[in-house]
Amino acid sequence: QKEVEQDPGPLSVPEGAIVSLNCTYSNSAFQYFMWYRQYSRKGPELLMYTYSSGNKEDGRFTAQVDKSSKYISLFIRDSQPSDSATYLCAMSPTNTNAGKSTFGDGTTLTVKP
Amino acid sequence: EPEVTQTPSHQVTQMGQEVILRCVPISNHLYFYWYRQILGQKVEFLVSFYNNEISEKSEIFDDQFSVERPDGSNFTLKIRSTKLEDSAMYFCASSEYQGTEAFFGQGTRLTVV
Repeated sequence: QKEVEQDPGPLSVPEGAIVSLNCTYSNSAFQYFMWYRQYSRKGPELLMYTYSSGNKEDGRFTAQVDKSSKYISLFIRDSQPSDSATYLCAMSPTNTNAGKSTFGDGTTLTVKP
Repeated sequence: EPEVTQTPSHQVTQMGQEVILRCVPISNHLYFYWYRQILGQKVEFLVSFYNNEISEKSEIFDDQFSVERPDGSNFTLKIRSTKLEDSAMYFCASSEYQGTEAFFGQGTRLTVV
């Protein structure tokens, strides 16, 4: 079993749709949860970062963590064509630095105008 | 806005040659990382570096790899004798403190021929 499983996609939605991106994990030591956006041939760009269960909102993005179920989600409201990218979940344990993260395989999202 | 910069953006090298990939982390950051992403695959952690020494490394980071902070600003990854399977995007990242999010550079695309 992979440590981090990410819904594979690809995902194609119309502009304005609500998008849900999901990851599950098996390592209960993971305490820091991150979502990155990666455009083609570019480096990952950090979108959201949280270390507690519950919801964290930033503009059109909401990160949700459920540690009891080992499940994290990223919701994008009012999706835009510029949101088209690959989204990566990443996580790391407590007491080690968050730079040593384990990534999901990524979900490629296309938002059609 | 501060950013991690990497040079070169693309490096082509012959199998068996040594390559050095260069990174300038964000100036007040203390932790530095290298990741790689083989085309179409997930981002994989290679090594983390703090206080002029390796703090953690993955199984990928074998004796062919080394890292160095030769001065106060640069952070380098050296591959001593490149193999075809070393072809990948190599990302440098940095974080301010232990347990905080890492910011990625744009990557160096290494092609071994």
